[in-house]
Amino acid sequence: DIQMTQSPSTLSASVGDRVTITCRASQTINSWLAWYQQKPGKAPKLLIYKASSLERGVPSRFSGSGSGTEFTLTISSLQPDDFANYYCGQYNGSPPWTFGQGTKVELK
Amino acid sequence: EVQLVESGGGLVKPGGSLRLSCAASGFTFSTYTFSWVRQAPGKGLEWVSSISSGGSTIYNADLLKGRFTISRDNARNSLYLQMNSLRAEDTAVYYCARDGTAYSHYFDFWGQGTLVTVSS
Repeated sequence: DIQMTQSPSTLSASVGDRVTITCRASQTINSWLAWYQQKPGKAPKLLIYKASSLERGVPSRFSGSGSGTEFTLTISSLQPDDFANYYCGQYNGSPPWTFGQGTKVELK
Repeated sequence: EVQLVESGGGLVKPGGSLRLSCAASGFTFSTYTFSWVRQAPGKGLEWVSSISSGGSTIYNADLLKGRFTISRDNARNSLYLQMNSLRAEDTAVYYCARDGTAYSHYFDFWGQGTLVTVSS
């Protein structure tokens, strides 16, 4: 199975900060990576697919990059609504599709 | 508006069974692959099972060891997960999720989830 490792596990930041979360795959997944945002008690929400494609309706302050085994999610200017948990998920080739352990973005 | 509404969760004893349902609306259900993803309390996301649009292709996580069965009824716009021989470690919120495309298993819409608690 492909293991996904996110860093950091927790990120403390202020409104307006530029925030970067990293996701590493245990083997190449080309660009078959998605990013999700999840708020407490709510379902995950798709932000980015195919490593860098922004889902419709998602603010342009979110961006994704990377290919192969290393990927990043960047929030260019953190907004109050962005404090949440973020997960990467790979969907390369055959299942199982696997997720990172999550990154909590909290208020500094 | 796309809506996915899960039901069927609850408290069940170890070894018991439950059948989860997911009712879809707001789009053409029969043209999409669907999946179940679960999240144990305070933990991350775990893919469980996927079924193709026509139901002919099914993928299951190996850890289920054949205990769970995914199915769908395109006439009723519904997805199901039959869960047998439940264990404490199956305790989680179970989400139904729509796959982005037939060949790309990212999840573009999620239901609100249904909680399954396995405890004596």
